[in-house]
Parts: sequence; C-alpha cells; structure tokens
Amino acid sequence: DTAVSQTPKYLVTQMGNDKSIKCEQNLGHDTMYWYKQDSKKFLKIMFSYNNKELIINETVPNRFSPKSPDKAHLNLHINSLELGDSAVYFCASSQGQRNTEAFFGQGTRLTVV
Amino acid sequence: GQNIDQPTEMTATEGAIVQINCTYQTSGFNGLFWYQQHAGEAPTFLSYNVLDGLEEKGRFSSFLSRSKGYSYLLLKELQMKDSASYLCAGGDSWGKLQFGAGTQVVVTP
Repeated sequence: DTAVSQTPKYLVTQMGNDKSIKCEQNLGHDTMYWYKQDSKKFLKIMFSYNNKELIINETVPNRFSPKSPDKAHLNLHINSLELGDSAVYFCASSQGQRNTEAFFGQGTRLTVV
Repeated sequence: GQNIDQPTEMTATEGAIVQINCTYQTSGFNGLFWYQQHAGEAPTFLSYNVLDGLEEKGRFSSFLSRSKGYSYLLLKELQMKDSASYLCAGGDSWGKLQFGAGTQVVVTP
C-alpha cells in the first residue's frame, strides 16, 4: 500500500490553464505539506497543514491554492499556469510538526508549455 | 531561518567511505535531517539529529555540532546503489524544513 500518493505523476499543460494535483496519505498523520523542486533540485516548502489548518504559507503566488478537505488529503490547485511553474511538486506528511520525519509522495512533474 | 550549505558533488569508489558536510545558520534551529533522493524519485528519510553527537544506523551515521552549526553524513562500505543526492535539511520550531541544494554522490566501481 502506498503511504503518500499523489496524482497525476506527470502533467503537461499550456500556459494560462488551471490544474489540480491531488494528494492522499494513509499513514494517519496529522500534518501534510507541499514542496516544489525546481530544475536545480532545490526542494522548497510551499505550504503546510496541521489537522486541516494552514500553518505554513511561504511566499508563494496566490495563483497557488491548497485545500485540505480532511487531514488525510491535501490538494493543490494552480490557476493561470506560467512557464516558471514547471517543476516537480512533492506532497509529504508527518506525524506532528517538529522533530519528525516526513514521508514524501512520488512527485508530480508539471511541464507548462 | 537556516541557510544550508553542502557540497555539490562527491565521487568515491565502491567499498569506500564518504563524508558529506553540511553547515547551517542557527537561527530558530530545531533539528537537522538527512534525506536520500535517487534520480526521479521521492526523498526518503535517513537520519535526524537534535542533540550534539553521532547517530549510527547501519552503514550510515550522522553527526551534529549545534555550537558550530555543522553536521555530516557518513556513508560507509559504499555500494553502487548509494549513488544518489543527499539532502541536508534544517528544521525550525514551526516544523518547516529548509533544504540544502543536495550533494550528488557518484559511486564508481
């Protein structure tokens, strides 16, 4: 059973479109994250939710909107996609917010053309 | 937050030992993590240090010195499958992980 699963794995879309990436974890964790890994392999946190509440919101364009319907799901919606949004987006989860390992999903490779 | 600094690439032969150093700024520091990431895959957790000293897990060990803002990951008895990127990450009191750019380890026969 996959612990943290995100869909789709690959996403190719045109500039200006709106797209969503879904993430689900079956580990019973209370904290979920979205990370972005750019072409230089820098892994940078975007958002963090604890028990469905937003606790970390980095400097991310407001075209990116996370939504957590319950603590097992954290989806990411992106409006008006731009070329610079092309990256690999990783969902992750952990039990608690501190001093705890995060489990990552397999990533969604987004390519904006 | 923490500024994480680690070497870009290291090369070593099978069976050897490699030490990957990581320095960080100590503002709001709350633990140091190491993750392994193979090309095209998700990062996977290797180790966590919050107190000074050495944590050993099989072939991998991680060391932390809080006063020096310094950590290292030691990989012993290198195997070909250890070729990967190794990410150093500092955690803060909010649980935010700040990752370094990763050190690409290349293991040669």
